[in-house]
Amino acid sequence: EMLLVQSGAELKKPGESLKISCKVSGYTFANYWIGWVRQMPGKGLEWLAVIHCGDSSTRYSPSIQGQAAISADKSTSTAYLQWTNLQASDSGIYYCARPRDMTRGSDAFDLWGQGTMVTVSS
Amino acid sequence: DIVMTQSPDSLTVSLGERATINCKSSQSVFYSAISKNYLAWYQQKPGQPPKLLIYWASTRESGVPDRFSGSGSATDFTLTISSLQAEDAAVYYCQEYYSSPPYRFGQGTKLEI
Repeated sequence: EMLLVQSGAELKKPGESLKISCKVSGYTFANYWIGWVRQMPGKGLEWLAVIHCGDSSTRYSPSIQGQAAISADKSTSTAYLQWTNLQASDSGIYYCARPRDMTRGSDAFDLWGQGTMVTVSS
Repeated sequence: DIVMTQSPDSLTVSLGERATINCKSSQSVFYSAISKNYLAWYQQKPGQPPKLLIYWASTRESGVPDRFSGSGSATDFTLTISSLQAEDAAVYYCQEYYSSPPYRFGQGTKLEI
């Protein structure tokens, strides 16, 4: 069974750093891209970024470029989203998701993680 | 950036009736070279991640009931649920994945039974 399993909820203060994870199982990690999608409390979905898990090439939304970074570790089949200077506006649920087509970072997401709730509050 | 606008924001439909949700993109998401529309539909229930229903505007994802169908081309798209079931209550999103990031979602349509 193909699964994306995300790390648990986080409560952080503004200015702190954070790294959340998305562990892949059931398919060859390095053959596919992994994307990240944010959902702010009670709001809609926002596409943030994708990374190719084999060569680590990335594409970012301008809304997150320079504010957070994505990475992938082939040795543990895990993708990451990290911040070095969290803001209250970073609060929300973060989903990792896999684009359907292994050759395309731009595709519909057919496999989703369960989501990681990030709360940034002083 | 492409802007995706869904209508209506919410709707209430009776069991067994048809539900129609519209999605309009600010520019065409049709790629003529392969004759495909870069448009997907998702369903999200409370406390759950989104679920892919439709991709390429009209191709149903494996395992999705055939009462769900997608149509449209270029800038105007529709998700139709032909005979509403209780479990179809959810928020529905369209998403474009054409051209360059970010690949925007519509604002969502809340479907109540």
